[in-house]
Amino acid sequence: GQNIDQPTEMTATEGAIVQINCTYQTSGFNGLFWYQQHAGEAPTFLSYNVLDGLEEKGRFSSFLSRSKGYSYLLLKELQMKDSASYLCAVKNSNYQLIWGAGTKLIIKP
Amino acid sequence: NAGVTQTPKFRVLKTGQSMTLLCAQDMNHEYMYWYRQDPGMGLRLIHYSVGEGTTAKGEVPDGYNVSRLKKQNFLLGLESAAPSQTSVYFCASTSLPDSNQPQHFGDGTRLSIL
Repeated sequence: GQNIDQPTEMTATEGAIVQINCTYQTSGFNGLFWYQQHAGEAPTFLSYNVLDGLEEKGRFSSFLSRSKGYSYLLLKELQMKDSASYLCAVKNSNYQLIWGAGTKLIIKP
Repeated sequence: NAGVTQTPKFRVLKTGQSMTLLCAQDMNHEYMYWYRQDPGMGLRLIHYSVGEGTTAKGEVPDGYNVSRLKKQNFLLGLESAAPSQTSVYFCASTSLPDSNQPQHFGDGTRLSIL
C-alpha cells in the first residue's frame, strides 16, 4: 500500500527553529509537496521537491532524500502565525497526490 | 482573483437526503479534484477530472457522483447521504499534474449528516 507518515503534533517556541519530518512509501515518486493549513481553512502550497537536496524559500526550507523516502520541512524564526497544520503529499506514478495526516504545530510565546 | 470557489460553505443534511456541492475555478485549469478531510487522516481523493466531459474514480468514490460539463465547474453529488459522509470536502485544481505546479484549493464545504 501507499503510506505517508508525519508526527501528529509538535510544539515549539516563538523565534526558534522546528523540523517536521515526513517519510513515505508510494507506488512511484514524481515529487513531494508541503502545504500549510490553518484551522478551518484551505491547504496552501509551501514548497515542492523532486530532486534530492534542499530548497529554500525565505524562512521555510524543504529537504528531500528519494533513496530514504524522507523529507523534512524546516521553519526558522518561528512566528505565532506559523501555528497551523503542515501537510506532506507525494505525487505517485499516476500523478495523484497521496497525503499524510498532517502535523499540528503549536507555537508558544 | 477568485481562484477556486466552493459553495455552499456549510450544510446540514438528514440521512437519505441528496445534495450537490459546486466547485468553480477561474484559472483555466484542466485538472480538478474532490477530496474529503477527516480528523486524523490525510486528504482522500473521491473523484477527479482530467478535462471537460471526463471524470474518474479516486480512492473513496462510493456514495458520490461527479460531473464536469464545463471546464471551470466540477460538481460533487451525494445521492443518499449517510452519517459516514460527514466530513469537510475540498475541491482543488491544477494545470499540469506532471509538473511542479501545485494543486490550488477552495475554502471547503463543511457537511454534517444527521
